[in-house]
Amino acid sequence: EVQLVESGGGLVQPGGSLRLSCAASGFTFSSYWMHWVRQAPGKGLLWVSRIDSDGSSTSYADSVKGRFIISRDNAKKTLYLQMNSLRAEDTAVYYCARDSYYQPDRWGQGTLVTVSS
Amino acid sequence: QSALTQPRSVSGSPGQSVTISCTGTSSDVGGYNYVSWYQQHPGKAPKLMISDVSKRPSGVPDRFSGSKSGNTASLSISGLQAEDEADYYCCSYAGSYTWVFGGGTKLTVL
Repeated sequence: EVQLVESGGGLVQPGGSLRLSCAASGFTFSSYWMHWVRQAPGKGLLWVSRIDSDGSSTSYADSVKGRFIISRDNAKKTLYLQMNSLRAEDTAVYYCARDSYYQPDRWGQGTLVTVSS
Repeated sequence: QSALTQPRSVSGSPGQSVTISCTGTSSDVGGYNYVSWYQQHPGKAPKLMISDVSKRPSGVPDRFSGSKSGNTASLSISGLQAEDEADYYCCSYAGSYTWVFGGGTKLTVL
């Protein structure tokens, strides 16, 4: 069974940093692109970032470019999102999702990030 | 990276059919057949309902169907059931390894 479990969320002050993790199981992690998608409280889904299967290619939404870094450790079957220079508007539930032919298909349960002083 | 346009809400009675539209541009919905739809119940993770414009993943009832015409994709749900009440989001590949979601549509089963 495909499982994606996010962790690392919490309360952080504006300007601070946080690293999210997503532990994968039930599929060959190293063969799949992966995404991060976020959802602000009461709002819709927003694509954040994507990484290819070996980590050599990454892409970002304009709103996080230069502040967030996506990475992966295929040996540990784990996806990461390093978030720097956090702003109040980054407050959201962050989901990791597996990609299947240019579409997110399986999603984790999400981890909440709150940016507030 | 502007969000795709969806109606904020739709409603229907049990047994009826509803259609949710998702309008983008030639740079996203109109340019690729990588359009997907997700169902999200409150407090839960999104669930893939339709991929590649019109393909149903295993386990998704055939009451759910997808289509596309030009820059607009659509999700149709027939034989509405109470458990279909949820938020629905469309998503499209937008080129250059970026993706865009719709603003979401709240489906109410009356």
